[in-house]
Amino acid sequence: AQSVTQPDIHITVSEGASLELRCNYSYGATPYLFWYVQSPGQGLQLLLKYFSGDTLVQGIKGFEAEFKRSQSSFNLRKPSVHWSDAAEYFCAVAPPNNAGNMLTFGGGTRLMVKP
Amino acid sequence: DADVTQTPRNRITKTGKRIMLECSQTKGHDRMYWYRQDPGLGLRLIYYSFDVKDINKGEISDGYSVSRQAQAKFSLSLESAIPNQTALYFCATSDFSGQPQHFGDGTRLSIL
Repeated sequence: AQSVTQPDIHITVSEGASLELRCNYSYGATPYLFWYVQSPGQGLQLLLKYFSGDTLVQGIKGFEAEFKRSQSSFNLRKPSVHWSDAAEYFCAVAPPNNAGNMLTFGGGTRLMVKP
Repeated sequence: DADVTQTPRNRITKTGKRIMLECSQTKGHDRMYWYRQDPGLGLRLIYYSFDVKDINKGEISDGYSVSRQAQAKFSLSLESAIPNQTALYFCATSDFSGQPQHFGDGTRLSIL
């Protein structure tokens, strides 16, 4: 069975600092990979996704993620964090060629931004 | 208006009661989903539907049922609520590409 681990439950960074959120997955083949963001009191918003091809994926809001097959990782990065980035972030995976109905989510990382 | 609307936003009820959570969407998407969110567990899929005549169980369907009344409406029911169904519930939609793209703001359900 596929699984997703987000090792950091909470992360605090200063505004303007760089950010990296970790995501590791367990799956027999290369899955489809996703990052979502959840602002307080709201649903999830898709930040970016990886299906195949270039392993560095650009998303919305200045985020990017890099797929590393050898490490089974799909870490999310942002070069300079803004206070509005404070939210909870979820990594998710799906079997290849079956992206929609079989998403498995990680437990989430809550990001706090210091002024 | 929101693309995906969930009602109610908050609900407190008692063990054994029947509860219905409603979801409507204006995206025109065929695919709709119900998820449950618990702290530290992320989101888990309860049911999904790819069109009006299609209903599928997800990872944690026991104790839940759904109804797809129209393309735009997808309801989740708890026939006899129990306290461990206390959670935050999300409805989501997607187009043909598959992954959930548009989420409602959630329904916070507490069962006493």
